[in-house]
Amino acid sequence: DQQVKQNSPSLSVQEGRISILNCDYTNSMFDYFLWYKKYPAEGPTFLISISSIKDKNEDGRFTVFLNKSAKHLSLHIVPSQPGDSAVYFCAASTGTASKLTFGTGTRLQVTL
Amino acid sequence: NAGVTQTPKFQVLKTGQSMTLQCAQDMNHNSMYWYRQDPGMGLRLIYYSASEGTTDKGEVPNGYNVSRLNKREFSLRLESAAPSQTSVYFCASSTTPDPLYGYTFGSGTRLTVV
Repeated sequence: DQQVKQNSPSLSVQEGRISILNCDYTNSMFDYFLWYKKYPAEGPTFLISISSIKDKNEDGRFTVFLNKSAKHLSLHIVPSQPGDSAVYFCAASTGTASKLTFGTGTRLQVTL
Repeated sequence: NAGVTQTPKFQVLKTGQSMTLQCAQDMNHNSMYWYRQDPGMGLRLIYYSASEGTTDKGEVPNGYNVSRLNKREFSLRLESAAPSQTSVYFCASSTTPDPLYGYTFGSGTRLTVV
């Protein structure tokens, strides 16, 4: 039972344009959400997070949006850069033990 | 500034062999985790240790054992390796129970069981 889903395995975006990565979840007990970025042969690195009391969090070129009623979150990258090409994982937790449940990942390719 | 160190980086095992994956962190983090990553499956939690002296099962614990040797080290043992355990294994640590700070991951161990 996949509680965190990333339905798009891959996404290609031109440099300078907006990248939008989507994530859906089924467990209504999740109240913390995170995005990780992963390059080949490296471990995932933490990118940005949001708690359920907020609907938006920004950090530079990265913004995460949370729609609790739709159980949906998205990551916006503006403007996209070639160095953003990586696999992006969304993750969620109930907060009590901070165990993270990860999605299956979306491979983003930013083209010149 | 090592962060989370995993050894070995690569390993090939024969079915039935045993091995231990090592993980150490130098950030004085309380909590440590073992995940496996498989194509199309994302990262799945095998075991975690919320604090020194405690360990708990995650989503996919069968076939694995763990030891939280001290605050720095958290090892994962495969007693009798199976081809289904071919995967990339990631160790991670976190500083507080606050989930918004995220985890720090190691660079992974790529394990092949033949």
